[in-house]
Amino acid sequence: KAGVTQTPRYLIKTRGQQVTLSCSPISGHRSVSWYQQTPGQGLQFLFEYFSETQRNKGNFPGRFSGRQFSNSRSEMNVSTLELGDSALYLCASSVGRGLNEQYFGPGTRLTVT
Amino acid sequence: AQSVAQPEDQVNVAEGNPLTVKCTYSVSGNPYLFWYVQYPNRGLQFLLKYITGDNLVKGSYGFEAEFNKSQTSFHLKKPSALVSDSALYFCAVRDIYQGSQGNLIFGKGTKLSVKP
Repeated sequence: KAGVTQTPRYLIKTRGQQVTLSCSPISGHRSVSWYQQTPGQGLQFLFEYFSETQRNKGNFPGRFSGRQFSNSRSEMNVSTLELGDSALYLCASSVGRGLNEQYFGPGTRLTVT
Repeated sequence: AQSVAQPEDQVNVAEGNPLTVKCTYSVSGNPYLFWYVQYPNRGLQFLLKYITGDNLVKGSYGFEAEFNKSQTSFHLKKPSALVSDSALYFCAVRDIYQGSQGNLIFGKGTKLSVKP
C-alpha cells in the first residue's frame, strides 16, 4: 500500500505570495491532519479534516486554510506569506479519528524569501 | 492542557548498549501516548502507542516503551542500540477533550546518536 504522498517536496516563495500544498493520504484513510515543523517551535498542529469537514484547528492565523476532497485528498493554503512561514509542512493520515495512529508523509519544505 | 516533555535534547549511546529516551506527560484524564521517529529529510514514522492495558508496549524496529502512571512517564527503550537508530525521536500525546477528538501534541524531540 502506498504511503502518504505530499507535493511539491520543495518550494521557494517570496513574501506576500500565496502557496498551496497537496497531500494524498493512504488509501482507505479518511482523516488528514497538517503540522508545521520549525527548529524553534517544533511540531505544531495546524488542522484536521475528516469527511471533507474541518474537525479541529490549531492556533494559527487565518492566513492558513485547508480543505479536503471527497477522495480524502487534502490541500492547505497559506496566503500573504511571511518569512516566519518557512518550515517543513507535514501531512498525516489515519483510518479514522481519535486514537488511531497517524502516518506521516515526507513533508513539503517551504522557504519564504 | 495536555503536554509532553522530553528533558534531553540529545542522547548519546554506544552501539550494542541499551538506550532510553525519556518522556513525561501531563494530561487531564487518560493519557494516550505515542512515539515517532524522524530520519533526516523524512517525515515521522510511527513506532508505538499506549492506549490502555499492559504498561510495557512493544513497537517497531525492536523498540518498546514503559508506561508509568505514578511517574507520569512513557520512556522509549531498546535493549541493544544500532547505528541506524540514530535519528530524532518525538513523544506525543493525543489531545482528547470533552466532546471532541484532538490532535497530537508533540514534545520538542530528542536527538539520538549511536556511535559504532
